Amino acid sequence: DAKTTQPPSMDCAEGRAANLPCNHSTISGNEYVYWYRQIHSQGPQYIIHGLKNNETNEMASLIITEDRKSSTLILPHATLRDTAVYYCIVRVANSGGSNYKLTFGKGTLLTVNP
Amino acid sequence: EAQVTQNPRYLITVTGKKLTVTCSQNMNHEYMSWYRQDPGLGLRQIYYSMNVEVTDKGDVPEGYKVSRKEKRNFPLILESPSPNQTSLYFCASSLSGTGSSVEQYFGPGTRLTVT
Repeated sequence: DAKTTQPPSMDCAEGRAANLPCNHSTISGNEYVYWYRQIHSQGPQYIIHGLKNNETNEMASLIITEDRKSSTLILPHATLRDTAVYYCIVRVANSGGSNYKLTFGKGTLLTVNP
Repeated sequence: EAQVTQNPRYLITVTGKKLTVTCSQNMNHEYMSWYRQDPGLGLRQIYYSMNVEVTDKGDVPEGYKVSRKEKRNFPLILESPSPNQTSLYFCASSLSGTGSSVEQYFGPGTRLTVT
């Protein structure tokens, strides 16, 4: 699986959009980008995933650059409860068995300030 | 409510005393997995199970055992715990262990301390 690079920390004001970048310059054509988050010592939580096109769900939007070498997770209106470590993960789309595991890096600690 | 449960949530034990951490999911998921999380090392997979009676080693299986006799349960067994197994443990499940199933659901975590 391709490696990802994320800033170690970011701050955001409550109510504003939080834009979390991820670099995955060695991504392969069959690898998806997944985002999970972990609120302090709780179990990780799935947010969103995508391959090429931008994606949106009730939690967030995912913007993937045309060359797929980077992506941005957008939380449109951050709240205090969005303070968490956000993980960008790249994995082969149809991987199974031993390759189905999620490889978590160090992620980005997003702190939403009142 | 669809969920993954783990018990106990906190455990302090002594070296060599066998222990079991239970994991149960109510979503009829085929795939289940155990991770441990340590500062600076992220989450690492210990064991996983593609279905009932099918288990396999993850990246850090030494010192652990698992079993999958029923679809909903996937206990983690430490036969002879050692201090280097002090960690935060997470159980996860997914509809299947293939790429067609995207989301993995994680339990709340078990914080284990071995003295």
